[in-house]
Amino acid sequence: GESVGLHLPTLSVQEGDNSIINCAYSNSASDYFIWYKQESGKGPQFIIDIRSNMDKRQGQRVTVLLNKTVKHLSLQIAATQPGDSAVYFCAESDTGRRALTFGSGTRLQVQP
Amino acid sequence: KAGVTQTPRYLIKTRGQQVTLSCSPISGHRSVSWYQQTPGQGLQFLFEYFSETQRNKGNFPGRFSGRQFSNSRSEMNVSTLELGDSALYLCASSPGEGSGYTFGSGTRLTVV
Repeated sequence: GESVGLHLPTLSVQEGDNSIINCAYSNSASDYFIWYKQESGKGPQFIIDIRSNMDKRQGQRVTVLLNKTVKHLSLQIAATQPGDSAVYFCAESDTGRRALTFGSGTRLQVQP
Repeated sequence: KAGVTQTPRYLIKTRGQQVTLSCSPISGHRSVSWYQQTPGQGLQFLFEYFSETQRNKGNFPGRFSGRQFSNSRSEMNVSTLELGDSALYLCASSPGEGSGYTFGSGTRLTVV
């Protein structure tokens, strides 16, 4: 069935470096993509989203890139901070389905 | 404005019992979705309600059910609990157009 996966289960970076978290999806009908951050004991927190009619979207210190040709999504975090340490999930959906399919998650560890 | 509120935060039940979890969405949001999060299966979609109607359902047994009230608050019920139902149950609120999902902090259910 359709699925969303991540290439790296754990990413360790130095404080101040840029982080890149990657995600592959398999459903070519997906038209909506979201990145969530989840800290221990909390629910997923929205970071940024992007629709399939775009290939890049920027937020505060974060950028999401979408490559529909190879079904790949990435999250870039600039000047990574210790507070960015968490598990990051990508999720995808098509508007008609109204259900998110999540990747398995990447743990980001920021070394001070 | 207030976020998504889930109650209770923690719950311990015995096998064979049933449980009801509650979710209050963001004011003005008419869609409520439920997800199960486990270490082994990750985040999986249970069902979505909009204006008191179930619009979509994931691949879970009939022991998992839900409903939505006229004020958009939602409850999910799990009957005949099994050990494998131990999980973090998350509720997501959205305006209803298939985007803008905001999650609550979840209910941690432990079945013993």
